[in-house]
Order: sequence, then C-alpha cells, then structure tokens
Amino acid sequence: EPEVTQTPSHQVTQMGQEVILRCVPISNHLYFYWYRQILGQKVEFLVSFYNNEISEKSEIFDDQFSVERPDGSNFTLKIRSTKLEDSAMYFCASRQTSHETQYFGPGTRLLVL
Amino acid sequence: AQSVTQLDSHVSVSEGTPVLLRCNYSSSYSPSLFWYVQHPNKGLQLLLKYTSAATLVKGINGFEAEFKKSETSFHLTKPSAHMSDAAEYFCVVSDQTGANNLFFGTGTRLTVIP
Repeated sequence: EPEVTQTPSHQVTQMGQEVILRCVPISNHLYFYWYRQILGQKVEFLVSFYNNEISEKSEIFDDQFSVERPDGSNFTLKIRSTKLEDSAMYFCASRQTSHETQYFGPGTRLLVL
Repeated sequence: AQSVTQLDSHVSVSEGTPVLLRCNYSSSYSPSLFWYVQHPNKGLQLLLKYTSAATLVKGINGFEAEFKKSETSFHLTKPSAHMSDAAEYFCVVSDQTGANNLFFGTGTRLTVIP
C-alpha cells in the first residue's frame, strides 16, 4: 500500500540554524500539508499546498517557514532560523482530491538546542 | 469555525472491557469527522471517518463511532479492548474550504490494563 514518507526521522539542530524537512507524498496525490505537534500538545495545522502554491496557512506559519515542491515527488518544509520553540514532531500529509482522506507520514522529530 | 473537544485526556480500561472515548464537535457546516490513532513513536493512522453518509461508522481494529447531530458528538467505541489498543487517540474535524485542513482535538491517551 502506498504511503507518505518523511526524512529524516529525527533531527537535532542549533538555534538559529536552517533546517529542511522532507516529505514524499503518495504519488497521485495533489494536496499536501504540514502539521506539527509540540510535545504534550495537540497536532496543529501549519500549511496546505495545492497546484504549486500555498492554499492556506496558520498563524504559526510565519516568515521563518516556507514550503516547496522542488520536483514531482518531494514536498519540503524549511525553517530559516530555528528557535527553541520550533522543537516538535512535524507531520506531512497528502490527499488525492479535496474530499479524500489525508494520509500522514511517520513524522520528523525536530529538536532545537 | 471548526473545533473538537475531547472530554477525557486519559482513559484507562481493563483488557476485554468496552472502550468509550468521547468527542464533541463544533462546526458551522455539516462536518467531516475523523478519529486518528497514534501509537508511541509512530505516525498518525486513520481509524475511521464520517462524511455525511451512515451515522454509524465502522473503522479498523473493531472500532466504531456514531455521529449524533443532536448532541454534536462523535464518540469512539470498541466492545472489547485489546492490549494493542493502548495509544493516543485524536478526534479531528475538517474544515469546508477547498484545502479541507484538519483540526485536531487535544487527544485521549488510552491505557489498557492486563
């Protein structure tokens, strides 16, 4: 069964460094998402992406964040200058059409020191 | 605006006894509702979803949920808990924009006692 994959599974970085989290959505999916889950808190929507542009973004998704689909398979989340509070599990999700289920990847655990 | 409230942060049941995880929703529209499960150090797995078809929805691993509009509830149940059911469960509502973004509840941690 096709699945969403994410790399790396864990990343440790120093505050102020740039990080890129990578996701490979399911191949025929058209809608892409990033969510995050700070330890002990609920999963929060960050951004949705469709037709090579951002569809919607939350208040969390400020100028330090960006997303890109650099080729036909990858979907990346970049944090330009990481802060301590960016430490979280980041989930990528994808969906085929606007009314289908979102399928989640296993997540990348980011730790900012 | 859409939101869900999970009434219990932690539920503990004995193996073989019924499971009830409670969820109430708030939505301006006829909602799409989901339950996702997260096992330790794993990603989010869809258990079941309601999208305005049958109000009683059956999911994987013996779970089901009933959509009750009059009570704005979407509680998750299972007749008999198994040790492998121990996990975090999230009730989720989808917004009605084209992107259909998901809004998660705070989660209920299910513990199964042998």
